[in-house]
Amino acid sequence: EPEVTQTPSHQVTQMGQEVILRCVPISNHLYFYWYRQILGQKVEFLVSFYNNEISEKSEIFDDQFSVERPDGSNFTLKIRSTKLEDSAMYFCASKIYRITDTQYFGPGTRLTVL
Amino acid sequence: SQKIEQNSEALNIQEGKTATLTCNYTNYSPAYLQWYRQDPGRGPVFLLLIRENEKEKRKERLKVTFDTTLKQSLFHITASQPADSATYLCALGDAGNNRKLIWGLGTSLAVNP
Repeated sequence: EPEVTQTPSHQVTQMGQEVILRCVPISNHLYFYWYRQILGQKVEFLVSFYNNEISEKSEIFDDQFSVERPDGSNFTLKIRSTKLEDSAMYFCASKIYRITDTQYFGPGTRLTVL
Repeated sequence: SQKIEQNSEALNIQEGKTATLTCNYTNYSPAYLQWYRQDPGRGPVFLLLIRENEKEKRKERLKVTFDTTLKQSLFHITASQPADSATYLCALGDAGNNRKLIWGLGTSLAVNP
């Protein structure tokens, strides 16, 4: 069964460094999302992406964050200058159509900022 | 502001019994509601979706109800098994074009053999 994959599974970085989290959504899906989950807290929406542009973003998704779909398969989240409070699990999700509501999630990348 | 609340305490039940988890929300009118399962260190796994015009949905041992008047969803697992032990997340679907999900904190379920 097709699934969303994410790499790396765990990323450790120093504060102020740039990180890129990678996702490969399910191949025929058209809508892509990033969420994050700080340890012990709720899953939070970061950004949605469709037709090669951001369709919605949350207050968390400030100028330090960016997303890109550089080719037909990868979907990336970049954090330009990481902060301690960026430490969290980051989940990528995808869905096939606008009117289809089920989002399928990847296993997540655990980001640790030291 | 929007608020989603799930059973705050962990739920411990005996194998074979029915587990019932609650999701309440305020200041929100979702187009749909979803239940996901999350195991430690893993991503959410989709279980069931119910729309605002639906009262009940079933899938195998799972049942979801949705009462938009009470602003509440109940999630039932019948004939529970130790393998059902996990955290169960309630997520409300935005009616907008992007269909982003807004999440509860989750309820931890432990099914004891």
